[in-house]
Amino acid sequence: EVQLVESGGGLVQPGRSLRLSCAGSGFTFGEYALTWFRQAPGKGLEWVGFIRSKAYGGTTEYAASVKGRFSISRDDSNSLAYLQMNSLKTEDTAVYYCTRDYPYDYIWGTSRYISQYFDYWGQGTLVTVSS
Amino acid sequence: DIQMTQSPSSLSASVGERVSITCRASQSISRSLNWYQQKPGKAPKLLIYAASTLRSGVPSRFTGSGFETEFTLTISSLQPEDFSTYYCLQTFSTPWTFGQGTKVEIK
Repeated sequence: EVQLVESGGGLVQPGRSLRLSCAGSGFTFGEYALTWFRQAPGKGLEWVGFIRSKAYGGTTEYAASVKGRFSISRDDSNSLAYLQMNSLKTEDTAVYYCTRDYPYDYIWGTSRYISQYFDYWGQGTLVTVSS
Repeated sequence: DIQMTQSPSSLSASVGERVSITCRASQSISRSLNWYQQKPGKAPKLLIYAASTLRSGVPSRFTGSGFETEFTLTISSLQPEDFSTYYCLQTFSTPWTFGQGTKVEIK
């Protein structure tokens, strides 16, 4: 059974740092990209960033709202991913979800597209940024 | 950035009713559109990807349609367990963006 479990959330003061972990099991962790989303209390979902698999360079992309402050890394030997959050702001308060990124392709018209969906999500971990 | 406009923001319906939720993209996203269901306090669950492909195990009363800029999620006969919030998500280009969500409530 595929599982993702986040940990590391908690209360942190503005300007401080926090690192979230995402532990995967039930699948070959290193073969998949991993994506982080977040959801502020009572609000909608927001993409935070992702890390590609090593086969695709292990590169990362981030939302503009976190770029330069957050970084994602992975330790495939231990089936772990991390979200390092620095210079935290009150607006970073949210439940953070780790997801498995499943790629697919399709033909539309004369073009082939590669896209992804997020088939497995962790239970989420709450980060509260407050003084 | 691609903006996703989802409507309605909420709706009330009875068990057995047919409901539809729409997402409009600010530019063409081909068929790179997912639909998720989220219950309070829980992580979202994938329902549909590639605009119209039903995820394995998802009831067939859920259907997705559309392409390029206009997409629809339809629930053919609402069941008690379907009362949730639904989100569309475009994965055509980063930053990936969600619709604002549609809360489906019991009438």
